[in-house]
Amino acid sequence: KNEVEQSPQNLTAQEGEFITINCSYSVGISALHWLQQHPGGGIVSLFMLSSGKKKHGRLIATINIQEKHSSLHITASHPRDSAVYICAVRQGGSEKLVFGKGTKLTVNP
Amino acid sequence: GAGVSQTPSNKVTEKGKYVELRCDPISGHTALYWYRQSLGQGPEFLIYFQGTGAADDSGLPNDRFFAVRPEGSVSTLKIQRTERGDSAVYLCASSLSGGRQFFGPGTRLTVL
Repeated sequence: KNEVEQSPQNLTAQEGEFITINCSYSVGISALHWLQQHPGGGIVSLFMLSSGKKKHGRLIATINIQEKHSSLHITASHPRDSAVYICAVRQGGSEKLVFGKGTKLTVNP
Repeated sequence: GAGVSQTPSNKVTEKGKYVELRCDPISGHTALYWYRQSLGQGPEFLIYFQGTGAADDSGLPNDRFFAVRPEGSVSTLKIQRTERGDSAVYLCASSLSGGRQFFGPGTRLTVL
């Protein structure tokens, strides 16, 4: 079993829909990252969080430390949101990140 | 530019050859990370530098892989006797210690 599990693996939505991507992890962590990867490989860090909730524009990330679960929400989705979204955790006492396999999101106009 | 840069963007080599991949981190970032991403997979950790020293090299798959950061800035990932299984995108990231990581565009390595 992977230390970081994401669901769904693939997600197709219509423009304007509310999107939720889930991440569960099995290890103790000091922080959790949500990353966005567009075709061609470039990775952008969206959020780093260790508790609670963060919001940036139409993106919201939440984490529940007790349940070892995080969600990434996209409100009013747009075709330009189409990308792979990757959850990664930094294990306690370490600087290295352990990544999920990613969720491929396609938003159709 | 202000971001992380990696060179070359693409590298095609033959099995058994030696390759070097370079990473220029964001100026002032003390932490530097190398990751490898195979097709359809999430990145996997290779090595982490804090300053000039390798603080964690537990992700290097075997002794054919080596990385240096002699002056605490630019880093080079070196792969000896390349194998077809080494083909992947090699990603570099940098950060202020413990902070958000900023990723480079990656080097796509193809071993024929």
